Amino acid sequence: RKEVEQDPGPFNVPEGATVAFNCTYSNSASQSFFWYRQDCRKEPKLLMSVYSSGNEDGRFTAQLNRASQYISLLIRDSKLSDSATYLCACGGGGADGLTFGKGTHLIIQP
Amino acid sequence: DAGVTQSPTHLIKTRGQQVTLRCSPKSGHDTVSWYQQALGQGPQFIFQYYEEEERQRGNFPDRFSGHQFPNYSSELNVNALLLGDSALYLCASSLLSEHSNQPQHFGDGTRLSIL
Repeated sequence: RKEVEQDPGPFNVPEGATVAFNCTYSNSASQSFFWYRQDCRKEPKLLMSVYSSGNEDGRFTAQLNRASQYISLLIRDSKLSDSATYLCACGGGGADGLTFGKGTHLIIQP
Repeated sequence: DAGVTQSPTHLIKTRGQQVTLRCSPKSGHDTVSWYQQALGQGPQFIFQYYEEEERQRGNFPDRFSGHQFPNYSSELNVNALLLGDSALYLCASSLLSEHSNQPQHFGDGTRLSIL
């Protein structure tokens, strides 16, 4: 079983729609959780940290479910510019090295 | 405020050669992590440096080694290159904290091709 699993997609979604991704992790000792966005042939860029209470940043909402060991990302009112690969990452805490999923490819269609 | 910078951006080597990649962390950061990202995969953690010492290591062979300098910059060295080492090598910096989860910020990466 892979340590961090994501549905690779692609998710084809019309502009303006709401889309949700899940990511499951196997290491119950994980303490830190993040969503990164990666454009084609570019570096991953931090989208948001994921906190136990859930957190929101504009159109983006992240949730953590420790009991079921998954994190989620919700994108509302999707824009063409949201097209990218979304990577979830888990770490032991502090500044520990991160374990990434393979990423979910999102395509927003006009 | 300079972000994470890496050099070179692209590199072509042949099997058996050695390579050194360089990274300067974001201003104010003290910890540097290196990742390997193969095509279609997520980044894989190689190792992390803090206070000029290797703090953590992922599942990579000893051919992969590193160094951190007093100014927090870092190098990744790979010996006896294999075709399978072709990948995007990413450096990420962060601020070590025992009390909070510090996100890592990535540089643009070095694209290494092995012929």
